[in-house]
Amino acid sequence: KAGVTQTPRYLIKTRGQQVTLSCSPISGHRSVSWYQQTPGQGLQFLFEYFSETQRNKGNFPGRFSGRQFSNSRSEMNVSTLELGDSALYLCASSLEGSLAGPEQFFGPGTRLTVL
Amino acid sequence: GENVEQHPSTLSVQEGDSAVIKCTYSDSASNYFPWYKQELGKRPQLIIDIRSNVGEKKDQRIAVTLNKTAKHFSLHITETQPEDSAVYFCAASRDFNKFYFGSGTKLNVKP
Repeated sequence: KAGVTQTPRYLIKTRGQQVTLSCSPISGHRSVSWYQQTPGQGLQFLFEYFSETQRNKGNFPGRFSGRQFSNSRSEMNVSTLELGDSALYLCASSLEGSLAGPEQFFGPGTRLTVL
Repeated sequence: GENVEQHPSTLSVQEGDSAVIKCTYSDSASNYFPWYKQELGKRPQLIIDIRSNVGEKKDQRIAVTLNKTAKHFSLHITETQPEDSAVYFCAASRDFNKFYFGSGTKLNVKP
């Protein structure tokens, strides 16, 4: 089974621009979560989608948004980029209702640099 | 919302020694506590998890303990090896689809 994939892997943008990141979950996984990882801050929860609906949201400004498609692929968008948005953005998918437990499988991440 | 604090931020041990990483959480309704290991340049991977109806869980050299009353849980690694060197994250979840992570512990195992 293929793992979680994210594109692009690296991105360089300038302040004020907007960016869209993509995440393809493991086949059969309908829950997709997004995290921002910065040094010293750990993983900050952005939002979680399930069956094309945003089910949970973290404490990030409205510049951060996302969506999920019918095939469970998810996109995350950041508008009006700021220097502080530079981070590794990770997505994770999980199998709802798994008897084995709600393990989250992470993608390799997208490294976003804002200049 | 939930707040997860993790200590220490860095931990250096000699190969063969034990390592302990501690986390506290604030939401008493949290009922699932996974631990992730992230090697340099790689994605986080689940190494062990525990649910609130269990006080301890072991998997070979790794164990996790949970104290619901005190709202803290710990990761114990025995007989550490150089390949255990990584950043470890604890997390807490209330409903299995929203996870709050600690800030991470960088473990360095010296050969």
